[in-house]
Amino acid sequence: QSALTQPASVSGSPGQSITISCTGTGSAVGSHNLVSWYQQHPGKVPKLMIYEASKRPSGLSDRFSGSKSGNTASLTISGLQAEDEGDYYCCSFAGDSTVVFGGGTKLTVL
Amino acid sequence: QVQLVQSGAEVKKPGASVNVSCKGSGYIFSSYTIAWVRQAPGQGLEWMGWISCYNGHTKYEQEFQGRVTMTTDTSATTAYMELRSLRSDDTAVYYCARMLGATYSFDYWGQGTLVTVSS
Repeated sequence: QSALTQPASVSGSPGQSITISCTGTGSAVGSHNLVSWYQQHPGKVPKLMIYEASKRPSGLSDRFSGSKSGNTASLTISGLQAEDEGDYYCCSFAGDSTVVFGGGTKLTVL
Repeated sequence: QVQLVQSGAEVKKPGASVNVSCKGSGYIFSSYTIAWVRQAPGQGLEWMGWISCYNGHTKYEQEFQGRVTMTTDTSATTAYMELRSLRSDDTAVYYCARMLGATYSFDYWGQGTLVTVSS
């Protein structure tokens, strides 16, 4: 069974950069680039931020970037802004046409 | 513009079934796969499965095998998710989401449907 582990919370001050990690086990993350990241504000619908580990959807701010090394994917937000506060989820292909979500990371902008 | 519009909130008793619909517009419905993702109150996102709107092929998360059925009506550009034998821990917001090509990522989401299971 594949699983993704994220830190429960991260924080940063406006203008700083933060990185959220997503570590996979089993078939998740390690052997492919099929990792995506979602931002979710309270009571709102998840929004795709990064797909295929490092690609940004059209129109998304370049303050958001993704990377992957081994079985750990990362989301970096540079020039932190108040509106970046929210929950962030990673998601990975997990083999046999399935996907798995990480538990989520709460980002607080101090 | 691409839109996924879901059916309204439901209240069900334990043991009952619920059927949530998801109508797609603004794109070629049959060219994409629709996934279903749920989120229990205060909890994270949980993938339930998906259905190809091209050929109807499905894949369900093991946890839901035998309790969930996903279908589509391409003429109505609508996907459906039926969950049976509801329990209190099935109380959640259920989302449909469109898969972006073969990337196993989800670029458009429905607004969510709250399903409350309570006696």
